[in-house]
Amino acid sequence: GQQVMQIPQYQHVQEGEDFTTYCNSSTTLSNIQWYKQRPGGHPVFLIQLVKSGEVKKQKRLTFQFGEAKKNSSLHITATQTTDVGTYFCAGPTGTASKLTFGTGTRLQVTL
Amino acid sequence: SQTIHQWPATLVQPVGSPLSLECTVEGTSNPNLYWYRQAAGRGLQLLFYSVGIGQISSEVPQNLSASRPQDRQFILSSKKLLLSDSGFYLCAWSGYYEQYFGPGTRLTVT
Repeated sequence: GQQVMQIPQYQHVQEGEDFTTYCNSSTTLSNIQWYKQRPGGHPVFLIQLVKSGEVKKQKRLTFQFGEAKKNSSLHITATQTTDVGTYFCAGPTGTASKLTFGTGTRLQVTL
Repeated sequence: SQTIHQWPATLVQPVGSPLSLECTVEGTSNPNLYWYRQAAGRGLQLLFYSVGIGQISSEVPQNLSASRPQDRQFILSSKKLLLSDSGFYLCAWSGYYEQYFGPGTRLTVT
């Protein structure tokens, strides 16, 4: 079945440093979604990318969808402590709007 | 606007006891509904999904079951809990493409 892997599993940065997580799917995706889960909380939808090579920005967050539509990345510029959490990518699978979630990247930010 | 509720927020149950977790959605009709489990520090595992009343699809064989007695109500059950059932249970509904999650139930089986 479809597999979605993310690297790294964990990253610890100092506030102000940049951060990037990479997402790779075993199959071509019609779209890729990104979610953020704060410690102790539930995943929250951030964004969806649909087009090959698409780049979208949300303030300090930059999302990219690969040309082959099998990979994606999330880059955070100048991290802040509010960025702490686990970032998941997710791709559609099968019917009923089901998603396969990536393995997640946990980001820790210290002052 | 749409809201999703889950209860209880936390639960501690002995091995072999029954389980019933409830999820309700407000502000939308005929949503696709999902149950996920998340082990500590791990990813999201889809357990069940439903596209309508009484329609349940299971993704992973296990001792859990799900039911959808009403359009906006989704229930996760077990007759006898196992230690391995411990985890963070999340209910979600889908919009056009994205999913919205409830606050979750943290289950500890002792």
